[in-house]
Amino acid sequence: TQLLEQSPQFLSIQEGENLTVYCNSSSVFSSLQWYRQEPGEGPVLLVTVVTGGEVKKLKRLTFQFGDARKDSSLHITAAQPGDTGLYLCAGVAADKLIFGTGTRLQVFP
Amino acid sequence: EADIYQTPRYLVIGTGKKITLECSQTMGHDKMYWYQQDPGMELHLIHYSYGVNSTEKGDLSSESTVSRIRTEHFPLTLESARPSHTSQYLCASSSWGREWQYFGPGTRLTVT
Repeated sequence: TQLLEQSPQFLSIQEGENLTVYCNSSSVFSSLQWYRQEPGEGPVLLVTVVTGGEVKKLKRLTFQFGDARKDSSLHITAAQPGDTGLYLCAGVAADKLIFGTGTRLQVFP
Repeated sequence: EADIYQTPRYLVIGTGKKITLECSQTMGHDKMYWYQQDPGMELHLIHYSYGVNSTEKGDLSSESTVSRIRTEHFPLTLESARPSHTSQYLCASSSWGREWQYFGPGTRLTVT
């Protein structure tokens, strides 16, 4: 069974702080996606990373795919209350998504 | 614009009732999925379909059933609801050649 472990599980920070969320697995994935989910809604895709070592930036969010394509990280610079939500990584395997355990982020003003 | 709809958004129902959760998408996607998610936790795939008359069980065992008679419609049915079925159910769709999925807003089911 392929598992994706995310850490930390919970994160509460003040506005303006930086943070990093990790997504780790013992399995290799063809690509990895990051989603954000707000309460009462479905997840929304933030980014897809495909190549080992790839780095993608989306405004204040920086995503990195590990060289071996087994892990990924999400770094947020100067977090804002609007960044609050559940962050989920998802690895692509056999045309299906394997979701990570999730990181709940709360950013206080 | 991704358009995928789920109804009802919230449902409270008694044990033993039969329920159907609706999911429809207007994007013409062949692939559709049902996930189960407990609050703040990861998503578990319970059913998926790659086209009309194609349905498969996902990684998480579920007592629910699905059907795919039309491309745009992928309903999920529980013949006899139990408290253990209390959860959020998320529907998603995607197209061939694209690995990311568009999600509906979910149905929060509570079985009393």
